[in-house]
Amino acid sequence: GENVEQHPSTLSVQEGDSAVIKCTYSDSASNYFPWYKQELGKRPQLIIDIRSNVGEKKDQRIAVTLNKTAKHFSLHITETQPEDSAVYFCAARGPNYGQNFVFGPGTRLSVLP
Amino acid sequence: DAGITQSPRYKITETGRQVTLMCHQTWSHSYMFWYRQDLGHGLRLIYYSAAADITDKGEVPDGYVVSRSKTENFPLTLESATRSQTSVYFCASSGFSGLTGEQYFGPGTRLTVT
Repeated sequence: GENVEQHPSTLSVQEGDSAVIKCTYSDSASNYFPWYKQELGKRPQLIIDIRSNVGEKKDQRIAVTLNKTAKHFSLHITETQPEDSAVYFCAARGPNYGQNFVFGPGTRLSVLP
Repeated sequence: DAGITQSPRYKITETGRQVTLMCHQTWSHSYMFWYRQDLGHGLRLIYYSAAADITDKGEVPDGYVVSRSKTENFPLTLESATRSQTSVYFCASSGFSGLTGEQYFGPGTRLTVT
């Protein structure tokens, strides 16, 4: 089945700097890659996603890139702010898994003022 | 977000007791999911359901039972709770098919088994 790895597990950046989180997946048939943000004590919420037929997607300060050949995708956050501090989860979904996602273990991002 | 709710939000129970966690969504989404979240493991799928009366196992189903008699409800039962089932449980739903399929998460239930 699908396996998703995520790095780094923790990341500290200064406010205003950029943050990059990388995920790799194992099933080349996976076709949908969402990123969820989870603030402390809250539910995970979708922040951006990308389909396998797209290489990059941007939404204001966040962007996701996908490299299908290497089977990895990355989350980029620019001009980080304290409210970006949270745990970020990547996920992958393959055509044989119905609506099921396989999540990475998460990255705890701390934005230092 | 108000469209998917979980109850109770917090629960303490003893080893061996039966516990049922409730999940209710108002969007008429076809798919519903149960995850557990533990430090270092992220979100792991316990069971999922593609429609009423259709359920299937996820990654970590042992010790859990689900049912889905109505589209809007997806209860999760721990038949005989164990300490290893202490966790935060999230229910999620999804109404899309094809290439997208965003999952919307409930607020979570923090379960402690003593």
